[in-house]
Amino acid sequence: DAGVIQSPRHEVTEMGQEVTLRCKPISGHDYLFWYRQTMMRGLELLIYFNNNVPIDDSGMPEDRFSAKMPNASFSTLKIQPSEPRDSAVYFCASNQLAAEQFFGPGTRLTVL
Amino acid sequence: GDSVTQMEGPVTLSEEAFLTINCTYTATGYPSLFWYVQYPGEGLQLLLKATKADDKGSNKGFEATYRKETTSFHLEKGSVQVSDSAVYFCALSDNTGANSKLTFGKGITLSVRP
Repeated sequence: DAGVIQSPRHEVTEMGQEVTLRCKPISGHDYLFWYRQTMMRGLELLIYFNNNVPIDDSGMPEDRFSAKMPNASFSTLKIQPSEPRDSAVYFCASNQLAAEQFFGPGTRLTVL
Repeated sequence: GDSVTQMEGPVTLSEEAFLTINCTYTATGYPSLFWYVQYPGEGLQLLLKATKADDKGSNKGFEATYRKETTSFHLEKGSVQVSDSAVYFCALSDNTGANSKLTFGKGITLSVRP
């Protein structure tokens, strides 16, 4: 298995632009998680899905952030409009119920 | 709410030195405890875990024991290698609900010199 796939690996954009991060979970995993990693705040859970349905989005920082999972093999995290404080590494992870979470390589986002 | 506290870093050691990375937690109930490792340019990988008090998790020469009385899960390795240079995260899962969320510590960077 290829593991969790994220794209792009690096994204540089200007303040105010829309940013879309993509994730393909491991086949057969029915949970998908989005995390954000910064020096100041460490690793934070933003949202997670079960069978494509959002279960807990209490970590989403504000309305500028949205996440979707249209099918079992694809999820997006969108930031619109982006701000410099959104600069971080964004990780996607997936698992089966109560099993180990497998992380993708992350997307490093820089908002200028 | 649940929280995980890791010792401040970074940590720099010489090859073959003994490693201890401290981790303490606050949680209600009986959490499961984890150590994850992040190598440069990669995502996090599970290193080891323990699901109940006094359990010892071990992998790749690393060990950690779930100490309920001190709410700790310190990571140790007897002889580190250059290849152990990475960021290490302590985490807990509260074991409630259908699929428990992970709460992470801030991570600590370990650099091992040849």
